Amino acid sequence: DGGITQSPKYLFRKEGQNVTLSCEQNLNHDAMYWYRQDPGQGLRLIYYSQIVNDFQKGDIAEGYSVSREKKESFPLTVTSAQKNPTAFYLCASSSAGGRTGELFFGEGSRLTVL
Amino acid sequence: EDKVVQSPLSLVVHEGDTVTLNCSYEVTNFRSLLWYKQEKKAPTFLFMLTSSGIEKKSGRLSSILDKKELSSILNITATQTGDSAIYLCAVAHGQGAQKLVFGQGTRLTINP
Repeated sequence: DGGITQSPKYLFRKEGQNVTLSCEQNLNHDAMYWYRQDPGQGLRLIYYSQIVNDFQKGDIAEGYSVSREKKESFPLTVTSAQKNPTAFYLCASSSAGGRTGELFFGEGSRLTVL
Repeated sequence: EDKVVQSPLSLVVHEGDTVTLNCSYEVTNFRSLLWYKQEKKAPTFLFMLTSSGIEKKSGRLSSILDKKELSSILNITATQTGDSAIYLCAVAHGQGAQKLVFGQGTRLTINP
């Protein structure tokens, strides 16, 4: 079945470590996104990519990095520069740059910093 | 600053009740308003409302967009325990990619 797969579902990190969250989609969507969700807050956009080898910062990009080497994959690295990384991370994708439709979301990755 | 505000933030009702969730927005270059349901992890799409489609209905759920008041409501009639979830309102704006601004969400609990 087509969809978005995020891994790992749960991740624990020590302070000072970088971690990479995986996001893979087989929907043949051009655009991919990373959102962060904190309790009591809406989803906030970290990074997005409309085409391969191109991506733009969202509203809260500091302390994060991404790459888009393949259409299917959009990994997110949470670096040690991110001061408060404990959160629920959601990856999403949309077709045709999203101009005609909604976002499809993965199941999310919950990151906890110890 | 673009923003989306939902109310109430939390709502507890009994099974069979009708509920109305509210969403107001202030964004530049409005394109569409979307409603999502988040039960555990992945938000699932409910409705998209645009200038050309300001009212949508699916079973017991319906939604209306008021472009004059910059707001939308999501109605759920004859609620069931399976309707318990966080309901997210999001607004697409600007050019290019589907950048969404999300509200805080409304946590709806349906008691049997």
